[in-house]
Amino acid sequence: EIVLTQSPATLSLSPGERATLSCRASQSFGSSLAWYQQKPGQAPRLLIYDASNRATGIPARFSGSGSGTDFTLTISILEPEDSAVYFCQQRSNWPPYTFGQGTKLEIK
Amino acid sequence: QVQLQESGPGLVKPSETLSLTCAVSGASITTTDWWSWVRQSPVKGLEWIGEIYRSGSTNYNPSLASRLSMSVDKSKNQFSLNLTSVTAADTAVYFCARRPWSYYFDQWGQGTLVTVSS
Repeated sequence: EIVLTQSPATLSLSPGERATLSCRASQSFGSSLAWYQQKPGQAPRLLIYDASNRATGIPARFSGSGSGTDFTLTISILEPEDSAVYFCQQRSNWPPYTFGQGTKLEIK
Repeated sequence: QVQLQESGPGLVKPSETLSLTCAVSGASITTTDWWSWVRQSPVKGLEWIGEIYRSGSTNYNPSLASRLSMSVDKSKNQFSLNLTSVTAADTAVYFCARRPWSYYFDQWGQGTLVTVSS
């Protein structure tokens, strides 16, 4: 089973700043990785698929990169509504599909 | 627009069976999609439980497979989850989700809290 470790656990930034979230895998698996955003009381929402592709309707300020074991989600210009928990998820080595433990992004 | 809605008991006693159903609207359950269950708890975070295809083929999380079964009801456009011999560790918010072939979880239900307690 691939373990995904996200860092930092919590990130506190101001509107207009740039956020960089990391997801590191316990073994290399190419680029079959997604990022999700989850707000309180809601289901996760797919943001990025296959490491670097934006899902339908996702603003261009969200971007993803990486392959192998190291992946990054970047939010280029933070807006107040970006406050959420962000999860990574791999579908390369399954079962099971696995998720990271999440990074909580707080907008000051 | 595809919508998924979970339903089932919010409270299950230890050692009993947890049963949930996910009703799908806005899309047919007979398309080339996999229909999944994912749960979330403060202890384990997001955990993929398993998925089922229109044919009835399933993929299960090995950690749950011995207690797990899933089924699909094409006539009602819904799919279901049964998890036997539950313990407090199975307390979580349970989500159903759609995963198109070779893709990720792109549509989710709102989630339903299931508590295991006597």
